Amino acid sequence: QVQLKESGPGLVQPSQTLSLTCTVSGFSLTSYSVHWVRQHSGKSLEWMGRMWSDGDTSYNSAFTSRLSISRDTSKSQVFLKMNSLQTEDTGTYYCARAIFDYWGQGVMVTVSS
Amino acid sequence: DIQMTQSPSSLPASLGDRVTITCRASQDIGNYLRWFQQKPGKSPRLMIYGATNLAAGVPSRFSGSRSGSDYSLTINSLESEDMAIYYCLQHNEYPWTFGGGTKLELK
Repeated sequence: QVQLKESGPGLVQPSQTLSLTCTVSGFSLTSYSVHWVRQHSGKSLEWMGRMWSDGDTSYNSAFTSRLSISRDTSKSQVFLKMNSLQTEDTGTYYCARAIFDYWGQGVMVTVSS
Repeated sequence: DIQMTQSPSSLPASLGDRVTITCRASQDIGNYLRWFQQKPGKSPRLMIYGATNLAAGVPSRFSGSRSGSDYSLTINSLESEDMAIYYCLQHNEYPWTFGGGTKLELK
């Protein structure tokens, strides 16, 4: 069955780089796109970017040049890297498939020294 | 960026009620509108796509509609399992943007 699972460090220091992995199963990354979505605690959702099935990417300009999304199709993994982290980047990070029909369980990231 | 203004932010309701949540788009988004349900500690769940289409497995008491730039999610005959936060999402133009959320709770 279709599954997505996020993984990464729960704690990141300010100004450092966040690296998250979304490991998928039950579908191919060359057939479906994968999104990254962030949610601050108790707040709404924020679309961050997308890895298209052809390997292209789209980003939310709010993250300007801080954000990078890549993938390894052989491992069925999509990666999120975001640098210059600040406390405002604390939240839960989700990956979701194409039309948002399947989501990972989310990974909580805290930015703190 | 397209702003999605969602109302109300909180909606107390009783079991069996009919409730409506609305998102107003600041620009034309056509029918590129989805609705999600999120329960505490859980990931969002797709409820409606294309503004009016029920996602797989979603009970028929849920429906979506559009009137101009206003998009609505209606739940007929509210059940206890429907208590959650609901979000709209526009995916017509980047960056895709969510509404602020509506917390549906028991009165």
